[in-house]
Amino acid sequence: GNSVTQMEGPVTLSEEAFLTINCTYTATGYPSLFWYVQYPGEGLQLLLKATKADDKGSNKGFEATYRKETTSFHLEKGSVQVSDSAVYFCALSAPTGNQFYFGTGTSLTVIP
Amino acid sequence: DTAVSQTPKYLVTQMGNDKSIKCEQNLGHDTMYWYKQDSKKFLKIMFSYNNKELIINETVPNRFSPKSPDKAHLNLHINSLELGDSAVYFCASSQEQGGEKLFFGSGTQLSVL
Repeated sequence: GNSVTQMEGPVTLSEEAFLTINCTYTATGYPSLFWYVQYPGEGLQLLLKATKADDKGSNKGFEATYRKETTSFHLEKGSVQVSDSAVYFCALSAPTGNQFYFGTGTSLTVIP
Repeated sequence: DTAVSQTPKYLVTQMGNDKSIKCEQNLGHDTMYWYKQDSKKFLKIMFSYNNKELIINETVPNRFSPKSPDKAHLNLHINSLELGDSAVYFCASSQEQGGEKLFFGSGTQLSVL
């Protein structure tokens, strides 16, 4: 079956710290992988995606690399800002059917 | 212009009532979804429609009934509301099956008293 596992939060970091949020997946076939971000009081929005092995998705200083050998898609940012405080969701989209599978979300708080 | 809009944003109601949440997307997408997010932010898919046809119907009480009058609209009707139905409900859409990103509405926070 298809599933996504991401590290539990909450995560609290000081401004300019390095961020890693781990995400691993199980999937049938070759899924597309995503990171979504949910700011307080808003819906989820796509942060970045990768559609095949070794692809790197990047946006707003965030990066994640599709690692087929370790079935991982860890999110990283070199220097977080207070405005990055949000809940981050790892997700996969199965190649067949039209269902997205979300992780449980990781809450990030960045303090000045 | 809002891509995926859902109304109302907040809904407070008594146990036992019937309520509806409406969703519209102006992206021309073929597939629409309803997700439920609980207080711990866990996101669970409830329904998916492709071109007005029900594709995914997860284990959801039959008090929940989606209705898609056309491919741009997917409404959610809930009968006999219970305390446990309190959550944030998100509508979303995507262009096609698999591989494409989801566009989410801003959510409807339902509180059942």
